[in-house]
Amino acid sequence: DIQMTQSPSTLSASVGDRVTITCRASQSLSTSLAWYQQKPGKAPKLLIYKASTLETGVPSRFSGSGSGTEFTLTISSLQPDDFATYYCQQFNNNWDLTFGGGTKVEIK
Amino acid sequence: EVQVVESGGGLVQPGGSLRVSCAASGFAFNTYWMNWVRQAPGKGLEWVASVNQDGSEKYYVDSVKGRFTVSRDNAKNSLHLQMNSLRVEDTGVYYCARDHRAAGLFFDSWGQGTLATVSS
Repeated sequence: DIQMTQSPSTLSASVGDRVTITCRASQSLSTSLAWYQQKPGKAPKLLIYKASTLETGVPSRFSGSGSGTEFTLTISSLQPDDFATYYCQQFNNNWDLTFGGGTKVEIK
Repeated sequence: EVQVVESGGGLVQPGGSLRVSCAASGFAFNTYWMNWVRQAPGKGLEWVASVNQDGSEKYYVDSVKGRFTVSRDNAKNSLHLQMNSLRVEDTGVYYCARDHRAAGLFFDSWGQGTLATVSS
């Protein structure tokens, strides 16, 4: 099974900060990785897929990069609506689909 | 508007059964892979099962193989998850999610979830 390690698990930041979240895979994924945002009591929302493709309607301050085993989600200028928990997710052709443990972005 | 709405959650004793369902609307249901993802209270996300467009291919996370069965009814635009031999660790919110149809399996539309609680 492919393990996904997200860091940090918690991040304290201020409005306007540049925020970077990292996801490391135990095996190479090529670019088969997505990022989701989840707010308390709500369903996750897809932000980025195929490592760097922005989902329709997602603000351009969100960006994804990486390939192989290391991936990053960057929020260029943190907005009040962005305080949430973020998850990475990988999928490989062996039906081994896993999420990272999550990164909670809190107000500093 | 794309919508998926889950139902059927509830309280069940360990070893019991529960069937959760998802009603889809606003898109061509029979052209999408559909999926179940769960979230234990206060924990992260876990993929549970996926089914292809005509129901001929089904995949499960190892921890539910042999106990859970995913199915779909394209005539009724509905997705189901039959959960048998339930364990305390199966407790959580069960989300129905649509595949994005990009390369790989990513989830672009989610329901609000239905809570299944396994407890004596």
